[in-house]
Amino acid sequence: AQSVTQLGSHVSVSEGALVLLRCNYSSSVPPYLFWYVQYPNQGLQLLLKYTSAATLVKGINGFEAEFKKSETSFHLTKPSAHMSDAAEYFCAVSGGATGGSRLTFGEGTQLTVNP
Amino acid sequence: DAGITQSPRHKVTETGTPVTLRCHQTENHRYMYWYRQDPGHGLRLIHYSYGVKDTDKGEVSDGYSVSRSKTEDFLLTLESATSSQTSVYFCAISGTGGLAGPQETQYFGPGTRLLVL
Repeated sequence: AQSVTQLGSHVSVSEGALVLLRCNYSSSVPPYLFWYVQYPNQGLQLLLKYTSAATLVKGINGFEAEFKKSETSFHLTKPSAHMSDAAEYFCAVSGGATGGSRLTFGEGTQLTVNP
Repeated sequence: DAGITQSPRHKVTETGTPVTLRCHQTENHRYMYWYRQDPGHGLRLIHYSYGVKDTDKGEVSDGYSVSRSKTEDFLLTLESATSSQTSVYFCAISGTGGLAGPQETQYFGPGTRLLVL
């Protein structure tokens, strides 16, 4: 069984400030971890993913995430927030014995960026 | 959006009526998925398909059925819609060139908003 917990359903930052979105996972097998972003009235877009290569993963739009096995965490960061980063962010873990990538999602974190 | 379309994009229906949502892809991906998105729950897997005529249940499959008669189309049917099925439904695909594995990225469609009155 696998699960994801996103700490904080709403996060608010000022433009130019550090963005930190928290994700902890539980998985009985080595995990593959994903961060997706959803802009209003749109589908989900992949930001980055961890596939057991480098523990520090760089994604699009200046985001990065670090896989920490000892803490079972995969937190998403961006050094300087931009107004266009306002969106909902989802962390997800992948698994499944039959192949494919059956994703289990966290509840999401709504990011607000204040001017 | 990786060549994924969903139809209809919006639908209002009444309790007890059947509803079919369609997902169409032009990418020849092997795997297709249906999720529902509800506030406070993130996205939850309803059903998925790992090939033509090959489907399996996800986390919240009760009240839903699926069919895949062609690689490019994956249909989700609510046999008798209930108010609890009011949600936003997303289709996703993965499996570039037939490859499979949990590390594969899923690509999402634009979603269908369903309101059951």
